[in-house]
Amino acid sequence: QKEVEQDPGPLSVPEGAIVSLNCTYSNSAFQYFMWYRQYSRKGPELLMYTYSSGNKEDGRFTAQVDKSSKYISLFIRDSQPSDSATYLCAIPQGLTGGGNKLTFGTGTQLKVEL
Amino acid sequence: NAGVTQTPKFQVLKTGQSMTLQCAQDMNHEYMSWYRQDPGMGLRLIHYSVGAGITDQGEVPNGYNVSRSTTEDFPLRLLSAAPSQTSVYFCASSNRDRTYEQYFGPGTRLTVT
Repeated sequence: QKEVEQDPGPLSVPEGAIVSLNCTYSNSAFQYFMWYRQYSRKGPELLMYTYSSGNKEDGRFTAQVDKSSKYISLFIRDSQPSDSATYLCAIPQGLTGGGNKLTFGTGTQLKVEL
Repeated sequence: NAGVTQTPKFQVLKTGQSMTLQCAQDMNHEYMSWYRQDPGMGLRLIHYSVGAGITDQGEVPNGYNVSRSTTEDFPLRLLSAAPSQTSVYFCASSNRDRTYEQYFGPGTRLTVT
């Protein structure tokens, strides 16, 4: 079983729709849950993250964690064509030499159409 | 503040050639790392460094070398390129107290023929 799993999509929605992007993870010890956005041929850009359970909101974006079901979600309200990108969930894991390795899902490709 | 920069943007190598991918950051971040991104595999950690003079292996280190002589720079060397190293390479950095919060460069797209 992969440590982090994510539906690759693609997901196509009309402008203004609410988008739900989801990941599942395997290890109940994980504490931080990151969301990155990656535009085509660009580097991943940190969007937001949550610590432990609960919700976090930033403008049109809401990140949610359900630790009981090991499920993380990113909601985008009032989606815009500029939101068209690949969204990656990632979970930091401690390294023996210090620091964290980010374990990424494979990403969900989102297209918001006019 | 340029953030994390990488050069070159694109590179084509022949099998057996060597090269160095450059990475620099101007955020005074102690922690730096290299990932490769392959279709269906996500991003995987190659090497990382918690500070100048200290490096360690990630999950896919074979065929790559790193060194960290300054806080700002973290080059990745391919010793003898193989077609399996065709990938997109990303460098990332973070503050040592928040290494879960990593900031990525724009990437180097490498093709080995």
